[in-house]
Amino acid sequence: EAAVTQSPRNKVAVTGGKVTLSCNQTNNHNNMYWYRQDTGHGLRLIHYSYGAGSTEKGDIPDGYKASRPSQENFSLILELATPSQTSVYFCASGDAGQNQAPLFGEGTRLSVL
Amino acid sequence: QQKVQQSPESLIVPEGGMASLNCTFSDRNSQYFWWYRQHSGEGPKALMSIFSNGDKKEGRFTAHLNKASLYVSLHIKDSQPSDSALYFCAVSRQVVGQLTFGSGTRLQVYA
Repeated sequence: EAAVTQSPRNKVAVTGGKVTLSCNQTNNHNNMYWYRQDTGHGLRLIHYSYGAGSTEKGDIPDGYKASRPSQENFSLILELATPSQTSVYFCASGDAGQNQAPLFGEGTRLSVL
Repeated sequence: QQKVQQSPESLIVPEGGMASLNCTFSDRNSQYFWWYRQHSGEGPKALMSIFSNGDKKEGRFTAHLNKASLYVSLHIKDSQPSDSALYFCAVSRQVVGQLTFGSGTRLQVYA
């Protein structure tokens, strides 16, 4: 069964600390995405990737880095976390050639204190 | 930059009733349109897609698209309490997956 798994599911970080959110997909999808969800904003695209070794900026990339070391794994990195990055983060995977809706993980709730 | 707006923000309908959710978008080059549903504590799940002008029906759900009017809608017939969730309209211009989401409509169906 197609799956996108995120870890951790919950994270508390301190301001100025480094945070890494991980995502793993077993769908053999080429494309992967990181979104954040905030009340009143829906989901906003942070970074995405077309395949291993590639990362692209989305609509709100400032303060975030991404890494795609393999087809299956896509990480979101906050080098210097700030309270404004407190949010719920979702990873998704999709196959651009199939016109299929991206499949989302269950989310990571991040609190930066 | 693409703007996607949804209305209403929240909607309360009785069990068995009709729920109508609206979405407007700003980019006339948009090609792919999805409705996602998100239950509390879960990730969004794709409900249905629509790519061509007109209506598309899947069970109790009907999506409508009018690209010239920059408008897409979702109608849920015979609403059930299990339909209570946050519904998102998501739009993509060219590359499927680079979705722009609306801010969502929270639907509550009461028995």
